[in-house]
Amino acid sequence: ETGVTQSPTHLIKTRGQQVTLRCSSQSGHNTVSWYQQALGQGPQFIFQYYREEENGRGNFPPRFSGLQFPNYSSELNVNALELDDSALYLCASSETGQGYRETQYFGPGTRLLVL
Amino acid sequence: GDSVTQMEGPVTLSEEAFLTINCTYTATGYPSLFWYVQYPGEGLQLLLKATKADDKGSNKGFEATYRKETTSFHLEKGSVQVSDSAVYFCALTQPGGGKLIFGQGTELSVKP
Repeated sequence: ETGVTQSPTHLIKTRGQQVTLRCSSQSGHNTVSWYQQALGQGPQFIFQYYREEENGRGNFPPRFSGLQFPNYSSELNVNALELDDSALYLCASSETGQGYRETQYFGPGTRLLVL
Repeated sequence: GDSVTQMEGPVTLSEEAFLTINCTYTATGYPSLFWYVQYPGEGLQLLLKATKADDKGSNKGFEATYRKETTSFHLEKGSVQVSDSAVYFCALTQPGGGKLIFGQGTELSVKP
């Protein structure tokens, strides 16, 4: 069984640029959630995708957007990068179904540095 | 809104010492509770979970009990090893999935 994978592992961008991060969910999982983890902090929820639709969003501006594909993989796009966007971006997958107490399983993360 | 509070770190212990990391939560209803561990430079790994009151989650010698009356989910291990050095996160989610809400993390350092 393949776990959650993310690409790239590291990325350096300059302020104002745009970035796309990618995530492949664990086999059998239909839901993907994205989190931002600043240095020394706990992860903060960005949004979740289920059946290719956004299914909840945290307190992040619209320049953070996402997609989920029919194979349940997902992308996180960030436009107009700011210095404060420098963080570890974590993707988590889970299986949504009636009566489930879904457990989220995390990938290794993408470390983004904005200069 | 829902929130999780963990004891501040870093926690420094000698090998074979007893570990407790405190976690309390504020939430409506009956959330599921989790402990995740993050090793340096890595993502989060699920350590254990509990989905209802009085449930005990356990894994790799770690355990935590869901205490509804004290809204707590403290992590314990009887004898820590150097390899347990990591950052530990307590988290909750409401039924039906959705976002995980994390505490700020507690760094554990175990010395030989």
